[in-house]
Amino acid sequence: GQQLNQSPQSMFIQEGEDVSMNCTSSSIFNTWLWYKQDPGEGPVLLIALYKAGELTSNGRLTAQFGITRKDSFLNISASIPSDVGIYFCAGRNQAGTALIFGKGTTLSVSS
Amino acid sequence: DADVTQTPRNRITKTGKRIMLECSQTKGHDRMYWYRQDPGLGLQLIYYSFDVKDINKGEISDGYSVSRQAQAKFSLSLESAIPNQTALYFCATSDGGVADTQYFGPGTRLTVL
Repeated sequence: GQQLNQSPQSMFIQEGEDVSMNCTSSSIFNTWLWYKQDPGEGPVLLIALYKAGELTSNGRLTAQFGITRKDSFLNISASIPSDVGIYFCAGRNQAGTALIFGKGTTLSVSS
Repeated sequence: DADVTQTPRNRITKTGKRIMLECSQTKGHDRMYWYRQDPGLGLQLIYYSFDVKDINKGEISDGYSVSRQAQAKFSLSLESAIPNQTALYFCATSDGGVADTQYFGPGTRLTVL
């Protein structure tokens, strides 16, 4: 089946550092979504992207829908301890289909 | 109150037992989903339903079945649980609109001994 390649698999950073993670697909997507999962919780939507080239921010988070429609990245600036969690990208290749999820990036932040 | 609720939150059972996980939503969404999460594998889609009369298999439907009893309720059953079905299970809903954003429940941790 279709897969998303999400990288890196894990990151260990110091508080205050910037973080970048990305997802790539072998096929074109119409929608890219970024979710965060806190320990013991379900994933929560951070940012949704619907157009190629779209750049969207949510506080310290910025995500972009790649021009080729086959990739997306998420940046977190000035990380803080509560940024700890698993970040998932997800994509949809056509209307009416279910989301495809990446395997997640586990972020650890040390103060 | 949470928009998407799952019961039970934790369950330990034995091999061969029948298990039902339940999901309820108050968001008024037509679409509901069941995912399984294993460490390092992300979220894998088990089944999804776009309305009460609609059931679709996802990536890993073998060994599972579902029932969409009403718009607000979508249950997942393991007819004869096996140890490799030990995982975290999430229910999600979406409205099917242009964005079709999915909203997740808090998860059910299932352990099959």
